[in-house]
Parts: sequence; structure tokens; C-alpha cells
Amino acid sequence: DIQMTQSPTTLSASVGDRVAITCRASQTISSRLAWYQQKPGKAPKLLIYRASSLESGVPSRFTGSGSGTEFILTISSLQPDDLATYYCQHYNSYPLTFGGGTNVEIK
Amino acid sequence: EVQLVESGGGLVQPGGSLTLSCAVYGFTFNDYYMDWVRQVPGKGLEWVARSRSKAKGYSTEYAATVMGRFTISRDDSKNSLYLQMNSLKSEDSAMYYCARGRNDNGFWGIDLWGQGTLVTVSP
Repeated sequence: DIQMTQSPTTLSASVGDRVAITCRASQTISSRLAWYQQKPGKAPKLLIYRASSLESGVPSRFTGSGSGTEFILTISSLQPDDLATYYCQHYNSYPLTFGGGTNVEIK
Repeated sequence: EVQLVESGGGLVQPGGSLTLSCAVYGFTFNDYYMDWVRQVPGKGLEWVARSRSKAKGYSTEYAATVMGRFTISRDDSKNSLYLQMNSLKSEDSAMYYCARGRNDNGFWGIDLWGQGTLVTVSP
């Protein structure tokens, strides 16, 4: 199984800050990686697919980068609405696996 | 409106069975792979099972933790996805999400999620 490791586990930043979340795969997954945002009490929402493609309707302050085994989700200017947990997920092979999540807090 | 609506969750005793349903609206169901993903409240996401599309013969994949106990199925005439869960354990307690696959050059991710149905396995 491919293990997905996210860091940091928790991130606290101010409105307007640039923040980055890292996701590492235990083996190469090309660009078969998605990022999801999950707000408290809600279902996950797709933000990024194919490592760097922005899902329709998602604000442009979210960007994804990377390929192979290392990936980054960047929020260019943190907004209050971005309070959430963020997960990466590979879809290169079975089983599909998720990172452990990064909880983003607003200072 | 594109929507996934789960139902069937509830309280069940260890060793018992439960069937979850997911009603699909707003897209051509038989063209898509479909998944079940679960989440223990306050914890991370765990992929459970996948049903491939009609074009791929409705073949299935399972996580090792549920293989042999859970069965994913679908009825394209009813635009519905199911998860039959047998021999339930306390560690199966979770919110269960129905999710739609997204085709990325033959590799299928997930692009849409339902709101979930809660399963509690307890005496």
C-alpha cells in the first residue's frame, strides 16, 4: 500500500498569510494526487486534482504543485473561510489512501 | 442538481449486518466509478470500496480491512449504490460517505461526496 504523509498536522496562521501543506507518498504516484478541504461537520470537497489542476469553482488562492512523491498545497492569502482540515489522497493504485490531514486554524 | 444522498445508517450490534444506500441525482450514473469512504468522527478518511462503471463490467475493489465482510453493488436502473456490511465490528463505526469517481486519463480519483450516513456498532 502507498502511505501518504502530511505535514504539519496543525497549522495556525493569520488572515492574509501564505501557507503551505506538504504531502509525501511512500512511492511514486506521478501526478495522481488530489487535495480535499473538509470543514467541521461537512463532507470533504475537492480542491485540486492531478496534483495541480484547480477544481471548477475553487478560489484561485489555492494552488497545488509537485509530482512523483512530494506535493504541496499552497493557500496564497489565508481567509477566514479557509478554517478546515485538508487531506491529500493518491489514486495511482489500490487501495486509495489519504494523508492524515492538516488542521488549519486562524490566529 | 448533482447530488449524492446516503441512507441506511444506524445502531447495530457487533456481528450484525447493515446495508447502506446512496441515491444519485443529476448525472449519468452508469458512466461513473463509485466509492464508499468512511471516517471515524474526529479522525481521518479511509477508502472502503469501489464499483467500476458498466463499461468496466461493474468490477469491484476493497480495502483489506473490509474484504470478505463488505460488498459494494449498484443498480443503474435506480441510480443507486449500495454497501452491504456483514460481521460488523466496533471498529467499523464511522460516518460512511458515498463518493463519485473522476476519470484522470484512466486513473480514477474522487470528485464529489455525499453528506454521509453514520454507522454505530455497539452492544
